[in-house]
Amino acid sequence: EIVMTQSPATLSVSPGERATLSCRASQSIGGKLAWYQQRPGQSPRLLIFDASIRASGIPARFSGTGSGTEFSLTISSLQSEDFAVYYCQQYNNWPPLTFGGGTKVEIK
Amino acid sequence: EAQLLESGGGLAQPGGSLRLSCAASKFTFSSYVMNWVRQAPGKGLEWVSGISGSGDDAYYADSVKGRFTISRDNSRNTLYLQMNSLRAEDTALYYCAMDVGGTRLYYSDSWGQGTLVTVSS
Repeated sequence: EIVMTQSPATLSVSPGERATLSCRASQSIGGKLAWYQQRPGQSPRLLIFDASIRASGIPARFSGTGSGTEFSLTISSLQSEDFAVYYCQQYNNWPPLTFGGGTKVEIK
Repeated sequence: EAQLLESGGGLAQPGGSLRLSCAASKFTFSSYVMNWVRQAPGKGLEWVSGISGSGDDAYYADSVKGRFTISRDNSRNTLYLQMNSLRAEDTALYYCAMDVGGTRLYYSDSWGQGTLVTVSS
């Protein structure tokens, strides 16, 4: 099973600032990585797939990079609606599909 | 936009059973893999099970293998999760999610609102 590790667990950022979240895979997954956003009380929402492709309707301030075992999600200028928990998920080796533990982006 | 509506959650005793359903609409249900993903209270996401569009292939997390069974009725556009031998650690919000794949598993770009399963005596 591929283990996904996200860091940091919590990121405190001021509105308008840049946030960078990290996700590491226990072995190479190529570019088969997705990022999701989960706002409080809501279902997860797909942001990024194939490590760097924005899903439909996702603002350009969200960008993903990485390949192999190291990935990152950057939010260029945080808006109020971006304060949420973010999860990465690999789909290279399955079953199982595996998620990272999440990074909570909170208001500083 | 795809719509997914879960039902069937509730309170079950340890060792008991529940059957979850997910009614799908606004997309060609039989063309897509469907997944169940759960989230324990205050915790992260955990993939539980997935099934191919045809229903021929089913996959499970080790934590539920042998206890849960995923199935689908493409004529009714409905996904199911039969949960037997329930344990306290199965307590979670269960999401139905539409994968972008038809036969293999990828990522989910549509999610339901979830149905809460509580296992307690």
